[in-house]
Amino acid sequence: KAGVTQTPRYLIKTRGQQVTLSCSPISGHRSVSWYQQTPGQGLQFLFEYFSETQRNKGNFPGRFSGRQFSNSRSEMNVSTLELGDSALYLCASSLGSSGRNGEQFFGPGTRLTVL
Amino acid sequence: QQQVKQSPQSLIVQKGGISIINCAYENTAFDYFPWYQQFPGKGPALLIAIRPDVSEKKEGRFTISFNKSAKQFSLHIMDSQPGDSATYFCAASKGGATNKLIFGTGTLLAVQP
Repeated sequence: KAGVTQTPRYLIKTRGQQVTLSCSPISGHRSVSWYQQTPGQGLQFLFEYFSETQRNKGNFPGRFSGRQFSNSRSEMNVSTLELGDSALYLCASSLGSSGRNGEQFFGPGTRLTVL
Repeated sequence: QQQVKQSPQSLIVQKGGISIINCAYENTAFDYFPWYQQFPGKGPALLIAIRPDVSEKKEGRFTISFNKSAKQFSLHIMDSQPGDSATYFCAASKGGATNKLIFGTGTLLAVQP
């Protein structure tokens, strides 16, 4: 069974631009979560989607948004990029949210560099 | 109340030794405690997880010890190998209708041959 895939793997953008990252969960998984990983702040939760609905959101500004499609694939968008948005963006998928269904499996991440 | 505190920040262990990483939490609503292993350039990989109804869970060389009253849990890696050298993260989740994980700050483990 294929794992979580994220595209692109690397991105370089300049301040003020916007970016869209994509995540394809493990086949059959309906929940997708996004995390930001930086050396200073560690791993921080961005948001979570289940069956195309956002059911939880972290403490990030409105410039960060996401969505999930009917095939469970998810995208996250960051508008008006700032230098501090440089990070590894990780996507995690799970079957659902209860018991073992809540176990999350991470993709390799998208490394975003903002210049 | 959302924080998960992890220690030590870094750890050096000799091959064959025991690696121990500790985490503490405040929120008693947490009911799921996974450990993740991350190698450079890779995403975190689920290693082992525990729920508060048990005090210990063992999978191969990896053991989680859980102390509900102290609100602490730890990862023990027995017979540590150089291939175990990675960053380890503890995490906690409230479960229910969300999978949101609160992560510890990570422990960089180096196993010397």
